[in-house]
Amino acid sequence: QKEVEQNSGPLSVPEGAIASLNCTYSDRVSQSFFWYRQYSGKSPELIMSIYSNGDKEDGRFTAQLNKASQYVSLLIRDSQPSDSATYLCAVNVHTGNQFYFGTGTSLTVIP
Amino acid sequence: DTAVSQTPKYLVTQMGNDKSIKCEQNLGHDTMYWYKQDSKKFLKIMFSYNNKELIINETVPNRFSPKSPDKAHLNLHINSLELGDSAVYFCASSQATGETEAFFGQGTRLTVV
Repeated sequence: QKEVEQNSGPLSVPEGAIASLNCTYSDRVSQSFFWYRQYSGKSPELIMSIYSNGDKEDGRFTAQLNKASQYVSLLIRDSQPSDSATYLCAVNVHTGNQFYFGTGTSLTVIP
Repeated sequence: DTAVSQTPKYLVTQMGNDKSIKCEQNLGHDTMYWYKQDSKKFLKIMFSYNNKELIINETVPNRFSPKSPDKAHLNLHINSLELGDSAVYFCASSQATGETEAFFGQGTRLTVV
Protein backbone atom coordinates (compact mmCIF):
# COMPACT_ATOMS: atom_id res chain seq x y z
CA GLN A 1 0.00 0.00 0.00
CA LYS A 2 1.28 3.46 -0.87
CA GLU A 3 2.01 5.48 2.25
CA VAL A 4 0.01 8.60 2.93
CA GLU A 5 0.72 10.20 6.28
CA GLN A 6 -1.36 12.67 8.22
CA ASN A 7 -1.20 14.02 11.74
CA SER A 8 -3.97 12.09 13.45
CA GLY A 9 -4.75 14.95 15.79
CA PRO A 10 -7.09 15.66 17.32
CA LEU A 11 -6.77 19.25 16.19
CA SER A 12 -8.82 21.86 18.00
CA VAL A 13 -9.23 25.44 16.83
CA PRO A 14 -11.55 28.23 18.01
CA GLU A 15 -14.36 29.36 15.78
CA GLY A 16 -13.15 31.89 13.21
CA ALA A 17 -9.54 30.67 13.28
CA ILE A 18 -7.55 29.03 10.49
CA ALA A 19 -7.25 25.24 10.63
CA SER A 20 -4.20 23.77 8.91
CA LEU A 21 -4.14 20.11 7.90
CA ASN A 22 -1.05 18.44 6.49
CA CYS A 23 -0.34 15.35 4.45
CA THR A 24 2.78 13.73 3.03
CA TYR A 25 2.96 10.88 0.55
CA SER A 26 5.69 8.45 -0.32
CA ASP A 27 5.10 7.65 -3.99
CA ARG A 28 6.59 10.18 -6.37
CA VAL A 29 4.38 8.98 -9.22
CA SER A 30 1.26 10.13 -7.37
CA GLN A 31 -0.49 12.52 -9.70
CA SER A 32 -3.83 13.60 -8.24
CA PHE A 33 -4.54 14.73 -4.71
CA PHE A 34 -7.78 15.04 -2.81
CA TRP A 35 -9.12 16.16 0.53
CA TYR A 36 -12.24 14.47 1.85
CA ARG A 37 -14.33 15.34 4.88
CA GLN A 38 -16.03 12.60 6.86
CA TYR A 39 -18.61 13.27 9.53
CA SER A 40 -19.10 10.63 12.18
CA GLY A 41 -21.18 7.77 10.85
CA LYS A 42 -21.17 9.15 7.31
CA SER A 43 -19.25 8.45 4.12
CA PRO A 44 -16.30 10.55 2.90
CA GLU A 45 -17.22 13.52 0.72
CA LEU A 46 -14.87 15.52 -1.49
CA ILE A 47 -13.75 18.96 -0.28
CA MET A 48 -10.95 19.78 -2.71
CA SER A 49 -8.93 18.25 -5.50
CA ILE A 50 -5.56 19.53 -6.73
CA TYR A 51 -3.40 18.27 -9.57
CA SER A 52 -0.57 20.78 -10.05
CA ASN A 53 1.89 22.54 -7.78
CA GLY A 54 0.70 25.67 -6.03
CA ASP A 55 -2.47 26.80 -4.34
CA LYS A 56 -6.09 26.18 -5.21
CA GLU A 57 -8.81 28.11 -3.45
CA ASP A 58 -12.50 27.31 -3.14
CA GLY A 59 -14.43 29.48 -0.73
CA ARG A 60 -12.97 29.07 2.75
CA PHE A 61 -10.79 26.15 1.67
CA THR A 62 -7.31 26.34 0.14
CA ALA A 63 -5.35 23.30 -0.96
CA GLN A 64 -1.59 23.56 -1.41
CA LEU A 65 0.54 21.07 -3.32
CA ASN A 66 4.31 20.75 -3.43
CA LYS A 67 5.28 17.70 -5.47
CA ALA A 68 9.01 18.19 -4.88
CA SER A 69 8.44 17.90 -1.15
CA GLN A 70 5.67 15.31 -1.60
CA TYR A 71 3.42 17.45 0.55
CA VAL A 72 -0.19 18.56 0.30
CA SER A 73 -2.09 20.68 2.80
CA LEU A 74 -5.56 22.04 3.41
CA LEU A 75 -6.28 25.38 5.04
CA ILE A 76 -9.74 26.15 6.35
CA ARG A 77 -10.28 29.84 6.96
CA ASP A 78 -12.92 31.23 9.33
CA SER A 79 -13.46 27.77 10.80
CA GLN A 80 -17.02 26.96 11.79
CA PRO A 81 -18.35 24.36 14.25
CA SER A 82 -19.85 22.58 11.22
CA ASP A 83 -16.30 21.98 9.97
CA SER A 84 -15.75 19.59 12.88
CA ALA A 85 -15.08 16.24 11.21
CA THR A 86 -12.30 13.90 10.18
CA TYR A 87 -10.35 15.09 7.14
CA LEU A 88 -8.85 12.46 4.87
CA CYS A 89 -6.03 13.08 2.44
CA ALA A 90 -6.03 10.88 -0.67
CA VAL A 91 -3.62 10.41 -3.54
CA ASN A 92 -4.28 8.78 -6.87
CA VAL A 93 -1.64 6.87 -8.74
CA HIS A 94 -3.07 6.97 -12.22
CA THR A 95 -1.71 3.59 -13.16
CA GLY A 96 -4.54 1.31 -12.15
CA ASN A 97 -6.56 4.36 -10.98
CA GLN A 98 -5.86 3.60 -7.32
CA PHE A 99 -6.86 5.95 -4.50
CA TYR A 100 -4.81 5.70 -1.30
CA PHE A 101 -5.93 7.40 1.87
CA GLY A 102 -4.17 8.76 4.91
CA THR A 103 -5.25 7.91 8.43
CA GLY A 104 -7.25 11.11 8.76
CA THR A 105 -7.04 14.16 11.03
CA SER A 106 -9.83 14.79 13.49
CA LEU A 107 -10.74 18.49 13.63
CA THR A 108 -12.86 20.11 16.31
CA VAL A 109 -13.91 23.75 15.97
CA ILE A 110 -14.78 25.18 19.36
CA PRO A 111 -17.62 27.74 19.40
CA ASP B 1 -30.92 9.50 -7.26
CA THR B 2 -28.18 7.96 -5.15
CA ALA B 3 -24.95 7.86 -7.14
CA VAL B 4 -23.31 4.95 -5.33
CA SER B 5 -25.59 2.76 -3.28
CA GLN B 6 -24.70 -0.22 -1.17
CA THR B 7 -26.80 -2.62 0.83
CA PRO B 8 -27.28 -3.46 3.57
CA LYS B 9 -26.39 -0.48 5.74
CA TYR B 10 -26.00 -2.66 8.81
CA LEU B 11 -25.08 -6.32 8.98
CA VAL B 12 -24.76 -8.36 12.16
CA THR B 13 -23.74 -11.97 11.77
CA GLN B 14 -22.07 -14.82 13.59
CA MET B 15 -18.51 -16.02 13.16
CA GLY B 16 -18.12 -18.57 10.42
CA ASN B 17 -21.02 -17.32 8.32
CA ASP B 18 -20.78 -16.23 4.69
CA LYS B 19 -22.22 -12.86 3.72
CA SER B 20 -22.40 -10.51 0.75
CA ILE B 21 -22.60 -6.74 0.43
CA LYS B 22 -23.99 -5.30 -2.76
CA CYS B 23 -22.91 -2.10 -4.53
CA GLU B 24 -24.31 -0.30 -7.55
CA GLN B 25 -23.30 2.96 -9.20
CA ASN B 26 -25.32 4.94 -11.73
CA LEU B 27 -22.56 7.38 -12.66
CA GLY B 28 -21.26 5.47 -15.65
CA HIS B 29 -17.86 5.16 -14.00
CA ASP B 30 -15.29 2.69 -15.21
CA THR B 31 -13.67 1.77 -11.90
CA MET B 32 -15.25 0.52 -8.68
CA TYR B 33 -13.61 -0.11 -5.33
CA TRP B 34 -14.08 -1.70 -1.96
CA TYR B 35 -12.53 -0.08 1.09
CA LYS B 36 -12.43 -1.23 4.71
CA GLN B 37 -12.51 1.43 7.43
CA ASP B 38 -11.44 0.37 10.88
CA SER B 39 -12.23 1.99 14.21
CA LYS B 40 -9.32 4.40 13.76
CA LYS B 41 -10.85 5.76 10.55
CA PHE B 42 -8.14 4.34 8.29
CA LEU B 43 -9.55 3.66 4.82
CA LYS B 44 -7.74 0.65 3.43
CA ILE B 45 -8.21 -0.24 -0.21
CA MET B 46 -9.21 -3.86 -0.70
CA PHE B 47 -10.00 -4.16 -4.40
CA SER B 48 -10.38 -2.08 -7.49
CA TYR B 49 -12.06 -3.34 -10.64
CA ASN B 50 -12.62 -1.70 -14.01
CA ASN B 51 -14.19 -4.59 -15.96
CA LYS B 52 -10.87 -5.24 -17.52
CA GLU B 53 -8.60 -5.56 -14.56
CA LEU B 54 -8.98 -6.64 -10.96
CA ILE B 55 -6.36 -5.26 -8.60
CA ILE B 56 -6.25 -6.96 -5.25
CA ASN B 57 -4.50 -5.59 -2.19
CA GLU B 58 -2.19 -8.44 -1.28
CA THR B 59 -2.97 -8.04 2.42
CA VAL B 60 -6.64 -8.92 1.91
CA PRO B 61 -7.44 -12.51 2.99
CA ASN B 62 -8.72 -14.72 0.21
CA ARG B 63 -11.94 -15.13 2.20
CA PHE B 64 -12.88 -11.83 0.59
CA SER B 65 -13.83 -11.89 -3.07
CA PRO B 66 -15.28 -9.24 -5.35
CA LYS B 67 -17.92 -10.20 -7.87
CA SER B 68 -18.88 -7.94 -10.75
CA PRO B 69 -21.89 -9.01 -12.84
CA ASP B 70 -21.55 -5.84 -14.94
CA LYS B 71 -19.83 -2.47 -15.07
CA ALA B 72 -22.30 -0.84 -12.66
CA HIS B 73 -22.10 -3.45 -9.91
CA LEU B 74 -19.33 -4.69 -7.66
CA ASN B 75 -20.41 -6.95 -4.84
CA LEU B 76 -18.25 -8.12 -1.95
CA HIS B 77 -18.53 -11.69 -0.75
CA ILE B 78 -16.97 -12.75 2.52
CA ASN B 79 -16.54 -16.38 3.55
CA SER B 80 -16.03 -17.74 7.05
CA LEU B 81 -16.43 -14.40 8.81
CA GLU B 82 -14.09 -13.63 11.70
CA LEU B 83 -14.35 -11.17 14.58
CA GLY B 84 -11.61 -9.04 13.02
CA ASP B 85 -13.73 -8.51 9.94
CA SER B 86 -15.94 -6.15 11.93
CA ALA B 87 -15.59 -2.73 10.32
CA VAL B 88 -17.35 -0.33 7.99
CA TYR B 89 -17.03 -1.32 4.34
CA PHE B 90 -17.32 1.37 1.69
CA CYS B 91 -17.94 0.93 -1.98
CA ALA B 92 -16.71 3.70 -4.29
CA SER B 93 -16.45 4.47 -7.98
CA SER B 94 -14.53 6.83 -10.23
CA GLN B 95 -13.72 7.48 -13.85
CA ALA B 96 -10.69 5.65 -15.11
CA THR B 97 -8.73 8.80 -15.93
CA GLY B 98 -7.56 9.29 -12.36
CA GLU B 99 -8.13 13.01 -12.41
CA THR B 100 -11.58 12.80 -10.93
CA GLU B 101 -12.67 12.05 -7.43
CA ALA B 102 -13.90 8.80 -6.01
CA PHE B 103 -17.55 8.82 -4.99
CA PHE B 104 -18.50 6.76 -1.96
CA GLY B 105 -21.53 4.76 -0.99
CA GLN B 106 -23.08 5.21 2.45
CA GLY B 107 -21.12 2.34 3.96
CA THR B 108 -22.03 -1.01 5.48
CA ARG B 109 -21.31 -1.50 9.15
CA LEU B 110 -20.46 -5.17 9.58
CA THR B 111 -20.45 -6.60 13.08
CA VAL B 112 -19.30 -10.17 13.58
CA VAL B 113 -20.31 -11.72 16.89
